[in-house]
Amino acid sequence: DGGITQSPKYLFRKEGQNVTLSCEQNLNHDAMYWYRQDPGQGLRLIYYSQIVNDFQKGDIAEGYSVSREKKESFPLTVTSAQKNPTAFYLCASTSSGTGERGYTFGSGTRLTVV
Amino acid sequence: AQSVAQPEDQVNVAEGNPLTVKCTYSVSGNPYLFWYVQYPNRGLQFLLKYITGDNLVKGSYGFEAEFNKSQTSFHLKKPSALVSDSALYFCAVRGDNNNDMRFGAGTRLTVKP
Repeated sequence: DGGITQSPKYLFRKEGQNVTLSCEQNLNHDAMYWYRQDPGQGLRLIYYSQIVNDFQKGDIAEGYSVSREKKESFPLTVTSAQKNPTAFYLCASTSSGTGERGYTFGSGTRLTVV
Repeated sequence: AQSVAQPEDQVNVAEGNPLTVKCTYSVSGNPYLFWYVQYPNRGLQFLLKYITGDNLVKGSYGFEAEFNKSQTSFHLKKPSALVSDSALYFCAVRGDNNNDMRFGAGTRLTVKP
């Protein structure tokens, strides 16, 4: 079955550490997105990529980094510069073309700083 | 740039009663409108979308939504709510120039037995 896989489901980070969240899709989608979800704040866009080897900052990119070396993969690194990383992180993808296509979401990664 | 507003943080209804979750939008050009549902610790699941045509769109689990261009609204509705409908609902919009999707802040629906 086609879909998006995020791993791990739960992740614990010590202060000062970098951690990487995985996002893999087998939908042959061109565009991929990372969102952060905090209680009561909905979804906020961190980074997105419309094509391999290219990505753009979203609304809250500071303290995060991404890469897009393969069409299927769009990993997100939460760096030590991100002062409040505890949140639920969602990855999404969509095919290129006009905007009538919705997004497909992964099941999320919950990151907690300990 | 496009934007979405969900004016209600919380909606409470009794099981069996009709429910409405409100959404208004702003976008340049023609809007593509979406509703998603999120259960605890899960990703967003697609419910329905409006692209063009009939203003009343039917989707998954008995949900429907009505597109109103003059009021720039896309309210989600269901004739008879179930306890299992309790979840977080997101409205989203994309413009027809393929701008990124913008989400509302979400509305928590609670259906009480």
